[in-house]
Amino acid sequence: NAGVTQTPKFQVLKTGQSMTLQCAQDMNHEYMSWYRQDPGMGLRLIHYSVGAGITDQGEVPNGYNVSRSTTEDFPLRLLSAAPSQTSVYFCASSSWGRTQAAEAFFGQGTRLTVV
Amino acid sequence: GENVEQHPSTLSVQEGDSAVIKCTYSDSASNYFPWYKQELGKRPQLIIDIRSNVGEKKDQRIAVTLNKTAKHFSLHITETQPEDSAVYFCAASKAGTASKLTFGTGTRLQVTL
Repeated sequence: NAGVTQTPKFQVLKTGQSMTLQCAQDMNHEYMSWYRQDPGMGLRLIHYSVGAGITDQGEVPNGYNVSRSTTEDFPLRLLSAAPSQTSVYFCASSSWGRTQAAEAFFGQGTRLTVV
Repeated sequence: GENVEQHPSTLSVQEGDSAVIKCTYSDSASNYFPWYKQELGKRPQLIIDIRSNVGEKKDQRIAVTLNKTAKHFSLHITETQPEDSAVYFCAASKAGTASKLTFGTGTRLQVTL
């Protein structure tokens, strides 16, 4: 059971380049999300999805796009990378608790540097 | 939206002592409060969580308390060990919002020999 898998683990981009961070889960979870982690700021929600075909913005969505064509995959796209997007990105998944929230499982993270 | 504040930002204790980390939240509708431990370069991992229908939960050396009236919750680690050294994050979310987590800013715990 792989859980939540993110690729790549490390990436260096030049300003203005675009790229896609991949995230896949094999737990049949309805809910998937992307967070960024910056020093001293905890983890902040970028985008999330409650199921295939449904996505919504989190706290810091600007500069990022997402789509959810399957239950398993939730890629995060950086449209035009900026140095402010240098961060560690975590994908997470959980069962969608309609009556109570459920535990979130995190991927191993992607360390992105934009130069 | 929800806002979670966490204190202290750093905490140093001697091995065997207890450590307490405190968090406050702003949204009275929040009803799920997990705590995550993150070791250097690793992913956050859930160590304990509590729901709003209970006031305290314990798992071996770790306990969490929740005060809904005051909107704060705390993590208690007893008999600390060097392997407890890590960054700890509290978070809050509520049912019906697809488990969106709002995190605190983290506490770096250092357990010294």
